[in-house]
Parts: sequence; C-alpha cells; structure tokens
Amino acid sequence: GDSVTQMEGPVTLSEEAFLTINCTYTATGYPSLFWYVQYPGEGLQLLLKATKADDKGSNKGFEATYRKETTSFHLEKGSVQVSDSAVYFCALSEDGANSKLTFGKGITLSVRP
Amino acid sequence: DARVTQTPRHKVTEMGQEVTMRCQPILGHNTVFWYRQTMMQGLELLAYFRNRAPLDDSGMPKDRFSAEMPDATLATLKIQPSEPRDSAVYFCASGSEGRAKAQHFGDGTRLSIL
Repeated sequence: GDSVTQMEGPVTLSEEAFLTINCTYTATGYPSLFWYVQYPGEGLQLLLKATKADDKGSNKGFEATYRKETTSFHLEKGSVQVSDSAVYFCALSEDGANSKLTFGKGITLSVRP
Repeated sequence: DARVTQTPRHKVTEMGQEVTMRCQPILGHNTVFWYRQTMMQGLELLAYFRNRAPLDDSGMPKDRFSAEMPDATLATLKIQPSEPRDSAVYFCASGSEGRAKAQHFGDGTRLSIL
C-alpha cells in the first residue's frame, strides 16, 4: 500500500537558518504530493503541492520538488522565521476519485529568535 | 476564503455520555473526511464519504462511533458511549474529486472525556 516517511523530529533552528525536512514515499501508481502545515490550535493547511515529476511546489518561501527517481518530496526554506514554528506533514494522493490522502507522521519545527 | 466549519470547538463531558460533532464542508466539495489526532497515534483517518455515501469507515471503532451525512451541508460524527480514550482533537476535511485536489481542514473539535 501507499506510505509516506518523514524524518524524525523535532527540529529546532535559529531564525534565518536553512531548513530541510525530508519526505519519501511509496506508491503503486503516480501520486500527487503535498505538504501541509499545522499551527498550534488549528487544523492542517495546504502549504504546497506538486502533481508530476520534476514539478516544484512553492509558497511562503517554502519549496519542494517532486523527484520520481528518488521517490522524494523534501521541503526546504532558505531562511526560517519564528512564525514558521509549526508541525509539517508530507502527504500523497493516489485515489483520484476521492482525494484521499496518506499522511506522514508529521514533524515539529521550532524556530528560536 | 471558503472554510470548513466544525462545531463545537471544545467539548468536555463525562464518560458514558453521547458526543456529537458537526462539520459543514465547503460548498461544492463532494468528499468529506473525519480524522482523529492524538499525541500518541498522530493523525488517523476514521471515515470518509463521497457524494454523501460512506466509502470507508474501517478506522472507526464500530461499536461506539458512527458517521453520517444527513445532507450535503452537514456531516456528523457521534460517539456513544464515550470513553476517556476517545479524548483527542477531531478534524473534518472536505475536498473534490481528482488526485491533485487538496483537502481543506476545519479547526477541529477538542474533545475531553473525563
């Protein structure tokens, strides 16, 4: 079955540091890939997505590139801010009719001033 | 921006009581998902619907949980009787067909069973 593996957390960085959060996936077909972010006390929000190989999703300074050859979708940001502190979830969708998502376990990012 | 609306936002009740959580999906979305989030288990899919028909509820304890969509604007998740281990944040999400379509989440119901 489909699965998403995220790097173990939590991650703590200083403001303006470079961020990489690793995500790899296993899928039987050709999935779409997503990053969701969850701020404290809120639901998950779509951060970015990519629907085919070599696509780059980007939003709010975050980027991730769909790498079919390595089955990866790593999240990066060049300079993190305190306001980026949140939980980040990688997810895939292969079920076109139902938009059902398979989520990774999530990773907590804390950015200190 | 259109949003998924969940009520109540917080619920505290004693074990054995019935709990009903409600969700209003985004207008035009035809898929609805219920998730449960805990520190120990993370995010778990409980059930989901397409065009108001239940497609999969294998993630739910069948003896006490039930999920329904009485109409296209309302989804409900009921627990009867509730137990302390049901304490969690319950999220509803809605989406539309297509593997490139994202799910949109509500802000959740934080449930505490004493």
